[in-house]
Amino acid sequence: AQKITQTQPGMFVQEKEAVTLDCTYDTSDQSYGLFWYKQPSSGEMIFLIYQGSYDEQNATEGRYSLNFQKARKSANLVISASQLGDSAMYFCAMRALLYGQNFVFGPGTRLSVLP
Amino acid sequence: EAGVTQFPSHSVIEKGQTVTLRCDPISGHDNLYWYRRVMGKEIKFLLHFVKESKQDESGMPNNRFLAERTGGTYSTLKVQPAELEDSGVYFCASSQDTEGDSNYGYTFGSGTRLTVV
Repeated sequence: AQKITQTQPGMFVQEKEAVTLDCTYDTSDQSYGLFWYKQPSSGEMIFLIYQGSYDEQNATEGRYSLNFQKARKSANLVISASQLGDSAMYFCAMRALLYGQNFVFGPGTRLSVLP
Repeated sequence: EAGVTQFPSHSVIEKGQTVTLRCDPISGHDNLYWYRRVMGKEIKFLLHFVKESKQDESGMPNNRFLAERTGGTYSTLKVQPAELEDSGVYFCASSQDTEGDSNYGYTFGSGTRLTVV
């Protein structure tokens, strides 16, 4: 069975500073993907970044980077230079990289960026 | 291209009534998924369509929930009769995922916020 843990229900960060959102996972799959999604107050789920279990390099997408530590089973999201628009719920998720596999989500972290 | 569209965006119904949620996936996406987030808990998988066939419905909570995808295009999720614990946000997602090793997530819709009173 797969499980995602996000231990930070809420986080605050000052504008322009960096913030790390924690995510640990558990799976018996050999090949899997780790994802972060952002859900602003408007409700849509916005894909941010992906890391494959066999990728040796940490994924980066603009101001987002994923700190992947496979041995520790962690996939923390780092947001650099926080902006007010980054205030949202952030979900860590995983899925096995097999056809048609569904996502397993963590409980989410609510990030608030302070001016 | 148009994204995944869900409607209504909000629905408030009384306990015991019926509600039908609709999802229009991205054109050409064979895979369609339903998820829901109930009472601030984790987002949970409900079911997965491949075209018009149910590939996996292991997440459907009970027989009050009925999902269909006639013709392999849009999908509906009917809750009949609705109970208080059904309140939450229902998400739909679609993907091509033809090779089974997609590196990227699906495209999610904006969700339908269902409130049962």
